[in-house]
Amino acid sequence: AQTVTQSQPEMSVQEAETVTLSCTYDTSENNYYLFWYKQPPSRQMILVIRQEAYKQQNATENRFSVNFQKAAKSFSLKISDSQLGDTAMYFCALVAGSNYKLTFGKGTLLTVNP
Amino acid sequence: EAQVTQNPRYLITVTGKKLTVTCSQNMNHEYMSWYRQDPGLGLRQIYYSMNVEVTDKGDVPEGYKVSRKEKRNFPLILESPSPNQTSLYFCASSNSGGNYGYTFGSGTRLTVV
Repeated sequence: AQTVTQSQPEMSVQEAETVTLSCTYDTSENNYYLFWYKQPPSRQMILVIRQEAYKQQNATENRFSVNFQKAAKSFSLKISDSQLGDTAMYFCALVAGSNYKLTFGKGTLLTVNP
Repeated sequence: EAQVTQNPRYLITVTGKKLTVTCSQNMNHEYMSWYRQDPGLGLRQIYYSMNVEVTDKGDVPEGYKVSRKEKRNFPLILESPSPNQTSLYFCASSNSGGNYGYTFGSGTRLTVV
């Protein structure tokens, strides 16, 4: 079984600053994929970024990047130049093994303040 | 437009009255899944389907049923809803074993009184 842990229920950041959201995971599989999803007040689930476990290079999507530490089973999300529209719940998630199940953490509510 | 369509978006019902939440995807995805989202608990998988006529229980299947008669549709059935099933429900679909992430529907806010 796999687990995903987000230890920060809530965070806040000032507009234009940088913030890092933490995530740790556990799986016995060698082949797995990690994701960050964003859920704004509209409640739509939006894929922010994806990381393949066998790739050492950290994924980057515009202002969003990850710090993937495979040995430590850590997968943090860095948001640079935070914008008001980044205010949302952020979920870390994992797909591992053959049942294709997407396992979520409990989420971090990020508030960007003007 | 590639999407997962859920209906209804909001639903208020009474205890014991059978209901169905529909889910349809137009991306020819093999894998479909239902999640419920509750405050402080994140999203938990209810049921999933790896293909037509192939379904299995997720982490919280009690009180729910599903069917997969066609590849595009994956309805969630609550035969006798109870107040503890008040939640936000999401349908999601994927191909490639979920390796490229999942596409989610817009959610169904269900209240059982």
